[in-house]
Amino acid sequence: DGGITQSPKYLFRKEGQNVTLSCEQNLNHDAMYWYRQDPGQGLRLIYYSQIVNDFQKGDIAEGYSVSREKKESFPLTVTSAQKNPTAFYLCASSQQGAETQYFGPGTRLLVL
Amino acid sequence: RKEVEQDPGPFNVPEGATVAFNCTYSNSASQSFFWYRQDCRKEPKLLMSVYSSGNEDGRFTAQLNRASQYISLLIRDSKLSDSATYLCVVNKNSGGYQKVTFGIGTKLQVIP
Repeated sequence: DGGITQSPKYLFRKEGQNVTLSCEQNLNHDAMYWYRQDPGQGLRLIYYSQIVNDFQKGDIAEGYSVSREKKESFPLTVTSAQKNPTAFYLCASSQQGAETQYFGPGTRLLVL
Repeated sequence: RKEVEQDPGPFNVPEGATVAFNCTYSNSASQSFFWYRQDCRKEPKLLMSVYSSGNEDGRFTAQLNRASQYISLLIRDSKLSDSATYLCVVNKNSGGYQKVTFGIGTKLQVIP
């Protein structure tokens, strides 16, 4: 089945720890995105990538880092510099230039 | 002013009722518009695109009013399974990249 997978479903982070969220897609989409969703707020764009080995900061990139070494994969690292990381993280992908994005099931990050 | 504004609700309606949501957007250069549905603790999924000529899919009708910069979603004969949060999404092409802005969502609760 084609789709987007994210893992883990739940992730716990200790103070000062970096954690990495996985996002994989087999839709052959060029573009991939990371969003953060907080209660009472719309999805906010963290990073996006339109092509392998290239990515751009979104609206709230501080405290996050990404890589795009393969077309299928776009992992997000939440660094210790992100002071309020508790949120629902959603990965999405789309065809290059397409208007519709398809989302993975999300990862809930909680701070211990 | 937020780029995309929605009434967060909740809208509590009885089964069989007709319910309508509106969403306003501030950027007149916005080019394409969508409604996504998000179930509790799940990822958003595309519900339908929105056109000036209107778009109907079964019990759902979406409409765009460019002059007034709002889009609407009408749900007829509400079902219990329609209970979800409905996200208004506005796209603008920005240098070959689709800049996507999400509203905070309107929560619908259909009650028996």
